[in-house]
Amino acid sequence: SQQGEEDPQALSIQEGENATMNCSYKTSINNLQWYRQNSGRGLVHLILIRSNEREKHSGRLRVTLDTSKKSSSLLITASRAADTASYFCATSPIGAGNKLTFGGGTRVLVKP
Amino acid sequence: DAGVIQSPRHEVTEMGQEVTLRCKPISGHNSLFWYRQTMMRGLELLIYFNNNVPIDDSGMPEDRFSAKMPNASFSTLKIQPSEPRDSAVYFCASSPTSGRDNEQFFGPGTRLTVL
Repeated sequence: SQQGEEDPQALSIQEGENATMNCSYKTSINNLQWYRQNSGRGLVHLILIRSNEREKHSGRLRVTLDTSKKSSSLLITASRAADTASYFCATSPIGAGNKLTFGGGTRVLVKP
Repeated sequence: DAGVIQSPRHEVTEMGQEVTLRCKPISGHNSLFWYRQTMMRGLELLIYFNNNVPIDDSGMPEDRFSAKMPNASFSTLKIQPSEPRDSAVYFCASSPTSGRDNEQFFGPGTRLTVL
């Protein structure tokens, strides 16, 4: 079963707008990671946030983590057509070694 | 730098045939993961290795699936016999160490179609 569930499943925005997607999970975690997947390609790591962190930034990406609610959000600011992709959250459950459990993903379409 | 290399990129086979997927992790990486991606089930972890040793194979769907890692630079995922429901994209990923706070680097995937 999937640990993380993304919301929404799909998102369509205009270039320049912000895109926000959420991830909920079920068990305690060591960290939470976000990945991007372009059509027909492998996943690419975007950002990792540890369980003792609440917010992290990387370029136009902002990630928050609320361990009390078991949820995370990914914000892409000033989106570009090149941001069109599927975005996945992945959790590292405590006691599960170094494996990750991926959610179902959010498909983002950025219209020029 | 060479990333994770997978071969073949596409495989079309008939039901009942043996299929072997290959992966070369990034040099120096100690962990290797095999995933399967389908529209219905999303991205599923099949098995992973740390230092060439299988750690968790609970995601391997059936005995028809087997994986090996004979050395640090090569791994195979074998399906024998293959069935149409095995059609999916299979990804290999590697990670620098077996520590928890490591990102995974994915290969381009092998798209398998079983007729």
